[in-house]
Amino acid sequence: DQQVKQNSPSLSVQEGRISILNCDYTNSMFDYFLWYKKYPAEGPTFLISISSIKDKNEDGRFTVFLNKSAKHLSLHIVPSQPGDSAVYFCAARVYSGGGADGLTFGKGTHLIIQP
Amino acid sequence: NAGVMQNPRHLVRRRGQEARLRCSPMKGHSHVYWYRQLPEEGLKFMVYLQKENIIDESGMPKERFSAEFPKEGPSILRIQQVVRGDSAAYFCASSLRRDNEQFFGPGTRLTVL
Repeated sequence: DQQVKQNSPSLSVQEGRISILNCDYTNSMFDYFLWYKKYPAEGPTFLISISSIKDKNEDGRFTVFLNKSAKHLSLHIVPSQPGDSAVYFCAARVYSGGGADGLTFGKGTHLIIQP
Repeated sequence: NAGVMQNPRHLVRRRGQEARLRCSPMKGHSHVYWYRQLPEEGLKFMVYLQKENIIDESGMPKERFSAEFPKEGPSILRIQQVVRGDSAAYFCASSLRRDNEQFFGPGTRLTVL
């Protein structure tokens, strides 16, 4: 039962253009969403997050949009740079009142930035 | 500026042996999380610990797996009598507080022969 889904295993984008990575979720109890970036043989690196009370959060070249009614979020990277080539994981968390425990991850999208 | 440290980075075990994976959280972090990543899959939550306490082990297999985070020293994920299906990358993460972002270590890649 995949509660967080990233339906595109890979995405190829030209350098300088916008990269849009998508993520859907099924658990309406998720209240906090995160994006991580991962290079081969390394651990995930935190990129950006968004609380369910917001619909947009921006940090430099990275913007995350949340559509709660559609249970959908997306990560926009603009402009895309060669160093952005990596696997991007969408993750979500249920706030259990006393705090949040484990993150639920999607399977990842491999972003390839072409020169 | 030490991040989350994990060792060993690579571990090879034969079926039936024990595997011990270590995780030192970021300085000042007392919340530790263990995740497992199988090939072509996302990370799956296993267990969440604070110093000397297991808070949530809902993702841990019921047998052969255990975790601890003692008052002194690193957190340990222990897998007894390993089987081939245990081959995976095991990631540790830490956070400053329970509802803060989790920062991940580089992972331990376990191969069971």
